[in-house]
Order: sequence, then structure tokens, then C-alpha cells
Amino acid sequence: DAKTTQPPSMDCAEGRAANLPCNHSTISGNEYVYWYRQIHSQGPQYIIHGLKNNETNEMASLIITEDRKSSTLILPHATLRDTAVYYCIVRVAKSGGTSYGKLTFGQGTILTVHP
Amino acid sequence: GAVVSQHPSWVICKSGTSVKIECRSLDFQATTMFWYRQFPKQSLMLMATSNEGSKATYEQGVEKDKFLINHASLTLSTLTVTSAHPEDSSFYICSARGGAGWIYEQYFGPGTRLTVT
Repeated sequence: DAKTTQPPSMDCAEGRAANLPCNHSTISGNEYVYWYRQIHSQGPQYIIHGLKNNETNEMASLIITEDRKSSTLILPHATLRDTAVYYCIVRVAKSGGTSYGKLTFGQGTILTVHP
Repeated sequence: GAVVSQHPSWVICKSGTSVKIECRSLDFQATTMFWYRQFPKQSLMLMATSNEGSKATYEQGVEKDKFLINHASLTLSTLTVTSAHPEDSSFYICSARGGAGWIYEQYFGPGTRLTVT
């Protein structure tokens, strides 16, 4: 699976949009971009995933560049409860071969939302 | 989203004893389950992958005889830490994957905090 690069930390004011970038320049054509977050002392929570089109759900929006080498997770109105470590992961979505699309976690971005 | 539970949420055991952690998918059938370990201030590290009814596949460096994994049904997987030592103290998190179609979502349990004294 391709590797990702994320800034180690970011700050955001409550109520403002949080834009978390992720570089994945070696992404393959059959790899999806996944975002998870982990609030302190809890298991990771799935946020969103996408292949090449922008995606939106009730939690966030995912913007993927046309060349798919980078993406941005957008939390439109950050709250204090959004303070967490955010992980950007690329992986094969379809099982097969030897990798079976394992989720490999990097260091992620520590997002701190302040009042 | 789908719900994955773990039991217990925390456990303290004495060095040399064994501890069993359960992972259940509550509202879906998990064709594959994963076990991760997380040390303080570090990221999650995948320990092993298991498919229902099959032997688990362990990541490099993970002792299969020390971390016994049983995936007996489509909703239950267990991790047994045998002869636990203080260095096994960690946050253990299970994850389950399943669903229709070829795009599989993967959901995580709340984690189990293991402290070995």
C-alpha cells in the first residue's frame, strides 16, 4: 500500500472549517483514500473514503486532486469534540493477492480544536 | 456505522498469567478481523489478521505462540496474551471487516487497556 504524509499537528478554532491535508504521491490506480480519526484512548473511527471523486457524508468532505496524489479532509464546522488524531490511509479496496487491503496507520495529524 | 465491541475494556493481570480479550461484531458478519496494538504516544501497529475458520496471519515480529488468535465465528474473535509480561502492557484494539460488494468497510472496537504488573 502507498505511504502517506501528513503534518504532525494542526490547530483550528471552534466553528471554523478544519482542512487536513494528506500527500499520497505513490498511490496506485486501485487504491482508495481512507480517513479515520482516533479520540484519546478510544478505537479509531471511520470518517470517509474515496477513489477519485470528491465525497461528502454527515461527518466530513473529502477532496481528492485530479492526479490523486493528494487529498484534503474537511470538517466544515469543527467542534471541541473533533479534537483527535486524524489518519489518512491509502489501501487496496478489493481483496485479492497478498495484501488484502490492510489498514496501515502512520503517525497522523493531531488536530486541536480550541474555543 | 457498524458496531464492534471489545471485552474487557481494561484488565490488570500479574506477570506470567494469560489474558483473553474478546472482539465481537454486533450488527454485521465479519469475514475478517484484525488485531492491533498501540503503545503510548505511538500509532496503531497491526499484529495479525484472521479470517473466520482459518488460522490467523501474523505480522513480522509478532509471536504467534504468545498472541493466540481464534476467529471461531463470523461475529467473534479472541486474542489471548499468554504468559503476559510487563512489556505486553498496551492498548489492544480489534477491527472487523465485512459487507456486501467488493468495497469493504472496516470498523474498530473501543480497545482494551492491558496492564501487566
